[in-house]
Amino acid sequence: DVKVTQSSRYLVKRTGEKVFLECVQDMDHENMFWYRQDPGLGLRLIYFSYDVKMKEKGDIPEGYSVSREKKERFSLILESASTNQTSMYLCASTVSRYQPQHFGDGTRLSIL
Amino acid sequence: EDQVTQSPEALRLQEGESSSLNCSYTVSGLRGLFWYRQDPGKGPEFLFTLYSAGEEKEKERLKATLTKKESFLHITAPKPEDSATYLCAVQRHSHDKIIFGKGTRLHILP
Repeated sequence: DVKVTQSSRYLVKRTGEKVFLECVQDMDHENMFWYRQDPGLGLRLIYFSYDVKMKEKGDIPEGYSVSREKKERFSLILESASTNQTSMYLCASTVSRYQPQHFGDGTRLSIL
Repeated sequence: EDQVTQSPEALRLQEGESSSLNCSYTVSGLRGLFWYRQDPGKGPEFLFTLYSAGEEKEKERLKATLTKKESFLHITAPKPEDSATYLCAVQRHSHDKIIFGKGTRLHILP
């Protein structure tokens, strides 16, 4: 079974802090994704990566950046956290771009 | 613009009461349609992929079907453990981005 592990289930940070969310997958998948999920808005794509060192903007990249130094690890960075970034953050991976994505259990992030 | 609309938003059923969830989509050239289950506080769990109209997939009490405009997730004789949010997502040929619907919250009463 595919295992996508997100480092924290719950996280509380303060406005203006730099926040790192970590995601690791154990299936040697090329493709990794970061989403946020908000009530009434569904899942929205923030950033994705099809290879190490490669990154592409999704639909809502503003205020975020990513890092992919190793194939198995994809990090989401909130450069200067704001209260409107309070959300559930979900990481996903897939073996190919046209296969279903496999998700981690999410990080519920609160920005105070 | 590509769109995925799920209905109803929420559904309450008695245990054993069969029903269907709907996923309507407008997308140019469907590559695949995905169904996921999401439990509270967890990430979505993949259930099915459907590729062409007329295709059906089954898993335990769930059966997914696909037409050119919509997909149905049929739930037969549901149990309380089937309670979850069910998400539908589509991907089109000319683009590898996946578009998610907002989900249907299903609650099965014992």
